[in-house]
Amino acid sequence: SQELEQSPQSLIVQEGKNLTINCTSSKTLYGLYWYKQKYGEGLIFLMMLQKGGEEKSHEKITAKLDEKKQQSSLHITASQPSHAGIYLCGADRSGTYKYIFGTGTRLKVLA
Amino acid sequence: EPEVTQTPSHQVTQMGQEVILRCVPISNHLYFYWYRQILGQKVEFLVSFYNNEISEKSEIFDDQFSVERPDGSNFTLKIRSTKLEDSAMYFCASSEWGDSKQPQHFGDGTRLSIL
Repeated sequence: SQELEQSPQSLIVQEGKNLTINCTSSKTLYGLYWYKQKYGEGLIFLMMLQKGGEEKSHEKITAKLDEKKQQSSLHITASQPSHAGIYLCGADRSGTYKYIFGTGTRLKVLA
Repeated sequence: EPEVTQTPSHQVTQMGQEVILRCVPISNHLYFYWYRQILGQKVEFLVSFYNNEISEKSEIFDDQFSVERPDGSNFTLKIRSTKLEDSAMYFCASSEWGDSKQPQHFGDGTRLSIL
């Protein structure tokens, strides 16, 4: 079965620093979705990637999907305390409706 | 911005009791989902629902679970006889369509505690 592995599991950065979170799949991804989860709360949709080599940005967050569609990265530029939370990558396989999720990366930004 | 709403935010129930978790999906969305997250673990798919039928379900979604769209706005998850291991955060999600072009939007979840 398809698994998604995220790295690192946790990250502590000083405010203003850049950081990258990775999501790797054992199989080709059809849709890759990045979500942010605050502790005890729901998943907030950030970005969706579908095509190999695709890159999307929203405010200070950029997400990329590699050409082989097996790895995605989420990059935050000039991190702020508001970026703190758990970042989850999710993916689906063509023909199914369900998402599988990675283990999450817990981000803490020190002011 | 439209959002998925879930009630209650926290439910405490005795083992063996029935529980119903409620969700109001985004109004123009046609596909609905339930996921759960046991504390410290991954978010796991339970079931997807379209056109008043289950589209897909996981092995977790056994005979103790059922879903229903009782009216034009609500989508419910029922657990018939709760077990201790049902304690988890349950998330409802909806999407406009069921394909990869449409992301699923999640609610804030219901934390279910079984005593």
